[in-house]
Formats: sequence, structure tokens, C-alpha cells
Amino acid sequence: AQTVTQSQPEMSVQEAETVTLSCTYDTSESDYYLFWYKQPPSRQMILVIRQEAYKQQNATENRFSVNFQKAAKSFSLKISDSQLGDAAMYFCAYDSGGSNYKLTFGKGTLLTVNP
Amino acid sequence: DTAVSQTPKYLVTQMGNDKSIKCEQNLGHDTMYWYKQDSKKFLKIMFSYNNKELIINETVPNRFSPKSPDKAHLNLHINSLELGDSAVYFCASSQDISGGRYEQFFGPGTRLTVL
Repeated sequence: AQTVTQSQPEMSVQEAETVTLSCTYDTSESDYYLFWYKQPPSRQMILVIRQEAYKQQNATENRFSVNFQKAAKSFSLKISDSQLGDAAMYFCAYDSGGSNYKLTFGKGTLLTVNP
Repeated sequence: DTAVSQTPKYLVTQMGNDKSIKCEQNLGHDTMYWYKQDSKKFLKIMFSYNNKELIINETVPNRFSPKSPDKAHLNLHINSLELGDSAVYFCASSQDISGGRYEQFFGPGTRLTVL
């Protein structure tokens, strides 16, 4: 079974600084999808960024970028120029890309942004 | 317009009762899901439906019965509620069942508290 591990239960960053959240996963598949979701205190789950495993290029979305290392099964999220509104729980998630789409989540990293 | 809506947002009930949570999406998606987030924030899939057909049932107790009257609705009925059922339940939808290609859109969650 696929597993997703987020080894940092909590992280903190100063406003305007850069922070990297770690994620590793275990799979025997060659094609799959990886996601980072953000859950602010409002509880709403918001997709931050998505990576397709067959693409070597790292995905970027404005201040958010990933470092995808397929051989190492690592998928870290970098947040640049951190803002107070980035404070949230961040979840790494995996989908095998097969015909039954389901997200397998890590346990989350709680990010605090200090002014 | 709310893309994925859930009612109610909060539900407090006694052990042994039966309750339902409703979910509706107005995105025209074919696939809908139920996820459970426990007190430690861990998110796990429970069910998925594609075009009203059950696709995934992740060893959820049979006290939980999903029902999809049409593509836009997926309700969750829970019989004989137990203390361990206290959690936040998220509904989500995606364009279709094909893995990872499409974003899953989440509802706001329903916080269920069983006393």
C-alpha cells in the first residue's frame, strides 16, 4: 500500500522568509500524481500545487514550488516570501494515477508564520 | 457560488443516534468522495462514487452508508453513532475517476461530535 510521510509535525517561518516542508512517499508505481493541500483554520482544503510523476520539471505556482526527486521518492514544498496568510496545516498527498482516483494523505505539517 | 457544499456544518448528537450529512456539487463532476479527518487531523478516504456507482469502499464499518441519488449529490448516513465517529467529514468531487489528472474540490467539512 502507498504511504505518505511528513516528518515535520510543525514548522515556523518569519514573514518574507522562505520555508521548505518535507514529504516522502512509498510506491511501486512509475506514473502517479503528487499534491500539496493547504488547510487554514477555516478548515477548507485548498489545492496548492500538483506534480505529475512523468514530468521531470518541478511544478511552480507563484510563491509555491516543489522539489520533486523521483528516485528518492521525495516531494518537498518551498514557500517563498512567506505571508501571514500562509499559516495553515499543509498536507502532502499521493494518487496512483490508476482508474480509482483516491488521495492518500500524509499526517500534515502545521506552519506558523511569525510577523 | 459554492462549488461543493455540505449540510450541516456542525452536528452534535448522542451515542446510538442515526444521522445524515448531505453533499452537493455544482461543478458538473462525475465523481464524488467522502473523507474522514480525525482528531489528529489525519485525512483518510472512506468512499468514492462515479456516476452514482460505488467505486471505493475503504473498509468502513457498515454503519456508514453512502447514497448517491444523482451525480451532483452524495449523502452519508451513519447508524448507531459511536464516540469514535467524532471527526470532520469532508465531501469532495473531481471531473472523473481517472487518477490524479484532475483536482479534487473539497467541501467545507462537517464537524460531527458524538456525546
